[in-house]
This record gives sequence, structure tokens and C-alpha cells, in this order.
Amino acid sequence: DAMVIQNPRYQVTQFGKPVTLSCSQTLNHNVMYWYQQKSSQAPKLLFHYYDKDFNNEADTPDNFQSRRPNTSFCFLDIRSPGLGDAAMYLCATSRERRPKADNEQFFGPGTRLTVL
Amino acid sequence: AQKVTQAQTEISVVEKEDVTLDCVYETRDTTYYLFWYKQPPSGELVFLIRRNSFDEQNEISGRYSWNFQKSTSSFNFTITASQVVDSAVYFCALIRYNNDMRFGAGTRLTVKP
Repeated sequence: DAMVIQNPRYQVTQFGKPVTLSCSQTLNHNVMYWYQQKSSQAPKLLFHYYDKDFNNEADTPDNFQSRRPNTSFCFLDIRSPGLGDAAMYLCATSRERRPKADNEQFFGPGTRLTVL
Repeated sequence: AQKVTQAQTEISVVEKEDVTLDCVYETRDTTYYLFWYKQPPSGELVFLIRRNSFDEQNEISGRYSWNFQKSTSSFNFTITASQVVDSAVYFCALIRYNNDMRFGAGTRLTVKP
């Protein structure tokens, strides 16, 4: 019954080696988000897709890219991971972009990225 | 600017105690939504409650209750008769009209048996 699925749950990569994290959803939601959560910190929004419309946060490093090939899937690409990119990466979805009474964000279980 | 403050970094209680998690927010918007999420050790953020800025009615759901007061910009969360399974990090969050969600820093709750 999982609604937002993230694979893998744990990912290890080497310094500078590109890595891709994946997220899929069964909710048919229009909006998909990627958050970065470092240890003992709040989740920080990196970017989101409203359908195919990509919206980058102003302070998201260029090292982070995203792709959404269809409604169900969204990928986070880290082109050259640094030690500071080690974190939990959370994917979330919402029905619409504008908040409404039933428009909360549903989160996946996250992928914990380790950079060696 | 939008900001959510959870002043309590960590709270530790003994099972069956009541505990209140504080959340104070700042926004210039007249329309906004407030949320509480629970993040257990497994990592997934679990939605607990949503409140819009025009609904100051308090809510009770089982052992959970929420107190929303616009006059003090607070949206506090109380767990009555806490249980070990309540141990988690709890995040308060604010969403503006454009769905820009801002999280507080989180409060780590430990409930000891």
C-alpha cells in the first residue's frame, strides 16, 4: 500500500561519483518534491515539479538536478557528490501546488546517502 | 519572512506523562496552513494534522490534541498519557499560498518506559 516509494533506502557513493536517487508515487499527484535533511536538522526543499514544470529553490546548488519523465517517477541526480551532501533525501507529493484543505504533502521513507 | 520556531530541541518524559510540544510561527500572509509531522526512526515523515489560518478551533484525536492561537502565533501539540511508541522527532511546518513549506527545526521526544 506504499504511496510514495523511494529506492534505494540506503545509498553509498564515492566522492565525486555521480549518483541518482529515485522516487515513485501511486497517488497520481501533480506535484513532486525533493527535500534534503541533514542530521538533526529540518528538511530543506531543493526543488519541485508541478507536472512537468520544474521549480528550483534559489539556494539549491547546481550540483543537484532532477528529472521527471512521467507523472509517477521523479529522480534526483547529484552530479559530483561531496562529503557535505551526505544526508537523508526525502521525496514528497501533493495533489496540487496551492494549499487547500486536502493538499498535504505525502512523504516517502527517504534515501540515506553516504559519501565516502 | 516565514519562519517556524520549535524552541524545544529535545524532551524526555516517562511513559504516561503528558507532554506539550511548542511551535511558534511568523508569516505576513493572511492565508496559510500549519502542519505537524512525526518522523520515527525509520525516517518517513508521517502527517498528523493540518490547520488553516481561518480555523482556530482546537482539535483532539485520541491522545493527541492541538491548540492553535493566532493571537500568539502558536500551534502547540499535546500528547496525553505518552507511550514509548510516541518517541520520534516532531516537526511543525508552515505552508504559504504557493505551497512553499517551511519546517521548524524539530523536537526530539523520548518516552521512557
